[in-house]
Amino acid sequence: KNEVEQSPQNLTAQEGEFITINCSYSVGISALHWLQQHPGGGIVSLFMLSSGKKKHGRLIATINIQEKHSSLHITASHPRDSAVYICAAPYSGGGADGLTFGKGTHLIIQP
Amino acid sequence: ETGVTQSPTHLIKTRGQQVTLRCSSQSGHNTVSWYQQALGQGPQFIFQYYREEENGRGNFPPRFSGLQFPNYSSELNVNALELDDSALYLCASSLVGRTYNEQFFGPGTRLTVL
Repeated sequence: KNEVEQSPQNLTAQEGEFITINCSYSVGISALHWLQQHPGGGIVSLFMLSSGKKKHGRLIATINIQEKHSSLHITASHPRDSAVYICAAPYSGGGADGLTFGKGTHLIIQP
Repeated sequence: ETGVTQSPTHLIKTRGQQVTLRCSSQSGHNTVSWYQQALGQGPQFIFQYYREEENGRGNFPPRFSGLQFPNYSSELNVNALELDDSALYLCASSLVGRTYNEQFFGPGTRLTVL
């Protein structure tokens, strides 16, 4: 079973700050997921990446396959970015598999 | 909107009862995964169904079972409910082919066991 560790667990920052959330996993994978969860439970997929870097607006995700490590960055953070951010990897490292999730990072951006 | 729906939204049961939760996947998606999320924790993988067969299972006992139907709907059944089964239950659908694909999550069913 893949083990996913995420840090920090809680992060409070001021509007405009650059945010970094880190994720490491134990078993080699086909793709790593970054997801966002808002109060009430809805989960939205932000990124799925297997190498290098992806960018959507102010969000950037990077992955280092050799080191089994990924980071999610938020540039020019805004209060609407406040949410729980979760990284997830395939449960057993394979392709067609459920996901193992990190415990999540609870991000609060203060105005 | 992910196109994945779940019912019911909320449910209250008592210990020992049985419950069935339902999920409607995105049209064309051949895979559905179910997750349990306890309060303050990340989701835990229960099992995955691919083309109506169980295709992987997490560390959950056999009283958690599922079904997937040809019409893109699926069920999670839990027998002999325990207090610790109180959680948010999420389903996620995906189209799995040669490469691993994005999972689309439903809004969840919040189950309370008294």
